Order: sequence, then C-alpha cells, then structure tokens
Amino acid sequence: DQQVKQNSPSLSVQEGRISILNCDYTNSMFDYFLWYKKYPAEGPTFLISISSIKDKNEDGRFTVFLNKSAKHLSLHIVPSQPGDSAVYFCAASLDSNYQLIWGAGTKLIIKP
Amino acid sequence: DSGVTQTPKHLITATGQRVTLRCSPRSGDLSVYWYQQSLDQGLQFLIQYYNGEERAKGNILERFSAQQFPDLHSELNLSSLELGDSALYFCASSVVSDSYEQYFGPGTRLTVT
Repeated sequence: DQQVKQNSPSLSVQEGRISILNCDYTNSMFDYFLWYKKYPAEGPTFLISISSIKDKNEDGRFTVFLNKSAKHLSLHIVPSQPGDSAVYFCAASLDSNYQLIWGAGTKLIIKP
Repeated sequence: DSGVTQTPKHLITATGQRVTLRCSPRSGDLSVYWYQQSLDQGLQFLIQYYNGEERAKGNILERFSAQQFPDLHSELNLSSLELGDSALYFCASSVVSDSYEQYFGPGTRLTVT
C-alpha cells in the first residue's frame, strides 16, 4: 500500500519556465513533508520541507504547497534551470517519528 | 559531496551468499540510517542507529542486520541473499537522533544473481 504517491514518473519542462512536481498521500496523520533531489550516482539531497500546520513554504526558486484537504503536495521551481534536471522524491513523516515514507520519484528534465 | 561515504559502490554476488555494506557518517553526526531502494521504487527505511544504539526499525528483514561501532561507522549485513534483494542501499546520517534533514551517501548497488 503506497502511502505516498508520485504519479508522474517523468516531466519535461523548458528552461526558464515553471516546473510543478506533484505528490499525493493517503494518510492524514502525516505531519511533515519533505522534497529531496537526486542526481545519478549520488544519494538524495534535502531540498525543502513543510510542516502540516502550514500551507506554503518558500526557499529561493523553490516553493512547496500543501493542500491538506486534498492530501496533495506540490513543488514549484521557477525559473527552471538545466541544473534542476534530476529525480525528485516526496517524503512524509508520521507522528514526528522521523521515519520517512517515500514516493517513487519524478524525473525532471529541463530542456534548453 | 554530502560527507557520507559508502563502500563498496557496486557488489555482485550469488543467491544464498552474505555481504556487508559499510557506511561512514559525516564528521560529528551521531545518527545513521539505512534505506533500500528497489528498481523504480521509493526508498524504504530499514533501520536507524544513534550513537551505537538501535533507535528505530523499519521494514528490515530478519536476514538483515546492522550495527554502529564506537567510531560511529555502521555496517549493514545481508545474508541468505535472494534475487529480490538486488537494490540500491543508501546510508544517511544526521547530527541528532531525530532529524528530518538527513545527509545521504552515494549508495551501494547490490546485484544478486
């Protein structure tokens, strides 16, 4: 049973445009959400996070939106740059136990 | 470079065998986490150690075991290997025992034939 779902295996976006990566979850008890970015042959690196008490968190070009009623999370990257080409993982934490439940990832390709 | 090192990078072995994966956390980090990523899947949390003690257990099989040594490096032992154990195994570390922001190593790719 996948509690965290990233339904788009890949996404292609033109350089300079907005990239929107989506994540859906099933467990309303999740209280913290994170996005990690992964380049080939490297481990994931932390990108941005959001607590369930907020609906938006912004860090430079990256913004995460949380819609609790829809159980939906999205990551916006604007403007998209070639270096943003990577696999993006959405992860969630249950009851602050710090064990992360991960989505399968979305491969983002930024076209020049 | 996250500062977390994992060895070996690649490992090919046969079913029924036993292997040991090694992880050195970032300098100063006390907590080590192990994850398994099967093909096109998300990461699955296996186990966490904090300062030498087991802190949390996830979906770790009984054939798998781990430990953290006094110098804080950690080893993940996988025994009686099956084809389905083929995966990327990641180690991550954090300063404290409870942290969402974990720093990942490059992973060990295990292939069981």
